[in-house]
Amino acid sequence: EDQVTQSPEALRLQEGESSSLNCSYTVSGLRGLFWYRQDPGKGPEFLFTLYSAGEEKEKERLKATLTKKESFLHITAPKPEDSATYLCAVQAEGGGGTSYGKLTFGQGTILTVHP
Amino acid sequence: KAGVTQTPRYLIKTRGQQVTLSCSPISGHRSVSWYQQTPGQGLQFLFEYFSETQRNKGNFPGRFSGRQFSNSRSEMNVSTLELGDSALYLCASSWASGAYEQYFGPGTRLTVT
Repeated sequence: EDQVTQSPEALRLQEGESSSLNCSYTVSGLRGLFWYRQDPGKGPEFLFTLYSAGEEKEKERLKATLTKKESFLHITAPKPEDSATYLCAVQAEGGGGTSYGKLTFGQGTILTVHP
Repeated sequence: KAGVTQTPRYLIKTRGQQVTLSCSPISGHRSVSWYQQTPGQGLQFLFEYFSETQRNKGNFPGRFSGRQFSNSRSEMNVSTLELGDSALYLCASSWASGAYEQYFGPGTRLTVT
């Protein structure tokens, strides 16, 4: 069964204090790994897709990287507006259509950035 | 480009009733997936529709069903509601069923009393 584990569960940073969030995954074959940001009371907002080990994507203060077993979301010089829950999800290579449209999510990391 | 829309945004139902939620995907997107989000279980996959066909289903009881129309709009239905069905129901659209990013709507908050 596909599994995604995110750590830490919660992270409190001071504004400007860089850090990383971890996403470990177990899948039979990885089709894609996705990062989302979710604000309270809202739906997840898409950030990045990573497909293969060694791949990196960047957007403003965020950088996502991928290895064969885990992904990291690096946050450089965060601002209070970066406070949110960050979700990691995988889509597996399933046979017989078992992967169609299905993302398996981790429990998320709640990031709080204090001014 | 308009995002994914979901209606209604909030619902309060009584145990035993049924409910229908609606989702309009981003224009041009043909795949719609549904998820249930609860504090204890997180985001869990319900089912996915593509070209009016259910192509995948998660581990939920048969009380949870859905359909997709020719314009890609989708509905999900929950019959015989239970207290444990209280959750945020999220719809996500993608242009296809492969490893393409899914864009989520704001969700429908269902409370069962």
